[in-house]
Amino acid sequence: EVQLLESGGGLVQPGGSLKLSCAASGFTFSNYAMSWVRQAPGKGLEWVSTVSGSGGDTYYADSVRGRFTISRDNSKNTLYLQMNSLRAEDTAVYYCANAYGAESWGQGTLVTVSS
Amino acid sequence: DVVVTQSPLSLPVTLGQPASISCRSSQSLVYSDGITYLHWFQQRPGQSPRRLIYTVSNRDSGVPDRFSGSGSGTDFTLKISSVEAEDVGVYYCMQGTHWPLSFGGGTKVEIK
Repeated sequence: EVQLLESGGGLVQPGGSLKLSCAASGFTFSNYAMSWVRQAPGKGLEWVSTVSGSGGDTYYADSVRGRFTISRDNSKNTLYLQMNSLRAEDTAVYYCANAYGAESWGQGTLVTVSS
Repeated sequence: DVVVTQSPLSLPVTLGQPASISCRSSQSLVYSDGITYLHWFQQRPGQSPRRLIYTVSNRDSGVPDRFSGSGSGTDFTLKISSVEAEDVGVYYCMQGTHWPLSFGGGTKVEIK
């Protein structure tokens, strides 16, 4: 059974940083691209970033490019999202999902950017 | 960037009746490999999204056969043949053909 478990969310001040993690199990992690998708309170889904299975290719939404960095450690079956220069509009539940087609999703971790 | 537009925004449905959700993209979603990367997701209240349909018309494992997807190019549809109470939630389409990836705004399905 595929399991994706996000962690690292919390309250951070504007301009601050946070690093999210997503621990994966139940599939061959290195064979799958991985993505982060976020959902602001009461809003729809927004794709944030994707990394290829090898980690060699990364893609970002314009809204986070230059501030967020996606990475993965295939030896630890873990996906990361380093978030810098956080803004109030980054407040959301952040989900990780596997495969380019977002086949399976985690339960999400809440990031709140507020002073 | 590809804009994905869903309609309607809200869909009140009587139990046992069919429902249909439209998803339109601003560009063709046919990739250079010939595959159309248009997927559908369900998000029940208080839950994470769950994929129902991938590449237009393929049901994911465990998805009831009352859900079906169809369409081509820029015009796609998700149909529920007979709505059940557990189908309440928000449905999203997502295009995976062009970077940046993008979701539709969502359609809220509720019981009349």
